[in-house]
Amino acid sequence: KAGVTQTPRYLIKTRGQQVTLSCSPISGHRSVSWYQQTPGQGLQFLFEYFSETQRNKGNFPGRFSGRQFSNSRSEMNVSTLELGDSALYLCASSLGSSGRNNEQFFGPGTRLTVL
Amino acid sequence: AQSVTQLDSQVPVFEEAPVELRCNYSSSVSVYLFWYVQYPNQGLQLLLKYLSGSTLVESINGFEAEFNKSQTSFHLRKPSVHISDTAEYFCAVGGGFKTIFGAGTRLFVKA
Repeated sequence: KAGVTQTPRYLIKTRGQQVTLSCSPISGHRSVSWYQQTPGQGLQFLFEYFSETQRNKGNFPGRFSGRQFSNSRSEMNVSTLELGDSALYLCASSLGSSGRNNEQFFGPGTRLTVL
Repeated sequence: AQSVTQLDSQVPVFEEAPVELRCNYSSSVSVYLFWYVQYPNQGLQLLLKYLSGSTLVESINGFEAEFNKSQTSFHLRKPSVHISDTAEYFCAVGGGFKTIFGAGTRLFVKA
C-alpha cells in the first residue's frame, strides 16, 4: 500500500507570494491533518479535514487555508507569504479523525523557504 | 483545549543506559495519548499509544510509556538504549478532532 505523498518536496518563494501544497493520503483514509514543523516548536496543528469537511483549525491566521476533495486528497494554501512561514509542512492521514485513537501516517513533508 | 509539555528538549545518554523522556499533558476532553518518533532524515512514525485499560503501554522495540492520570503524565522509558535509538521523540494528545504535539525531545545515544 502506498504511503502518504506530498508535492512538491521543496519550494522557494518570496514574501507576498502565495503557495499551494498537495497531499495524497493512504488509500481508504478519510482524515487528513496538516502541521507546521519548525525547530524548537515541534508540530503546530493547522487543520484537519474529514470527508471534505474541516473539523478543526489551529491558531493560525486566515492566510492559511485548506480543502479536501472527494477522493480525500487535500491541499493547503498560504497567501501573502511572510518570512516566518518558512517551515516543513507535514501532512498526515488516518482512517478516522486524528483526535481519537487513530494512528496518523505522515508524509515526508514539503520544505517551504520564504525569501 | 489540549496542551502537551515535553520537559526536556535534549537528552544525551550513553549506550546501554536507561532513559526517561518526560511528557505532561492537559485536556478538557477524553484523551488519547501517543508517542511518535522521527529518525534522522525520516518521517514521523508511531511508537506507541495509550487508549484505555492497562496504564503501561509497550512498543515492539523495548520502549514503554506509563499513563498517570493523577499527574497527567505519559513518560516514555527504555531500560537500555542503543545507538539506533538516536532520534527526536514527540508526545501527542488527541481529542476534539485534532492531535496536539509537544515540542519534541532529541535523544542522543553516545557510544
